[in-house]
Amino acid sequence: ETGVTQSPTHLIKTRGQQVTLRCSSQSGHNTVSWYQQALGQGPQFIFQYYREEENGRGNFPPRFSGLQFPNYSSELNVNALELDDSALYLCASSLGQGAEAFFGQGTRLTVV
Amino acid sequence: LAKTTQPISMDSYEGQEVNITCSHNNIATNDYITWYQQFPSQGPRFIIQGYKTKVTNEVASLFIPADRKSSTLSLPRVSLSDTAVYYCLVGAQRNSGNTPLVFGKGTRLSVIA
Repeated sequence: ETGVTQSPTHLIKTRGQQVTLRCSSQSGHNTVSWYQQALGQGPQFIFQYYREEENGRGNFPPRFSGLQFPNYSSELNVNALELDDSALYLCASSLGQGAEAFFGQGTRLTVV
Repeated sequence: LAKTTQPISMDSYEGQEVNITCSHNNIATNDYITWYQQFPSQGPRFIIQGYKTKVTNEVASLFIPADRKSSTLSLPRVSLSDTAVYYCLVGAQRNSGNTPLVFGKGTRLSVIA
């Protein structure tokens, strides 16, 4: 157990819809990173939030957006869902931007 | 960022030692080598990190030759519960910098009874 909780665990959406995924970070951790993991691939960095500000972004389009709250929990929002967005979405929290990251179990998103 | 190359998959019997080699020809002077383990439907978990020579912890050993262009993760006496995907990463030292983790496709290890 890493203390990082993600919800929901599974989700099915229709192409074109919007989705919000949630992450509750480990107690005291002020940094949250989001990763997308397609089937058979390694996790790919989406973006990182540090003290409620975006602090680095991977090669993902603007329809992937996020938010970090004062309690350091975080949301990942994806608009205009595409079939290729089907993946496991992982949240990782850390104490500080460069500290060791602890991953949650992920949210399995299926777009049909 | 240095690219890594690992075997796609490996099979092993319980009780054997498993060695997974990772190639990273373009590793930079400041780069560390880190291995993560991922079970199905879970996030990756840190196993071990090293810069050169040999590092050992309660889970695994990491062997890094002098030229640092490759590394070998060694898992002693594997059990069925070691069945997972193992990722080799090259980059910033654990607990420093803010460079995101860069994962390749990893090595899928299957342990057979």
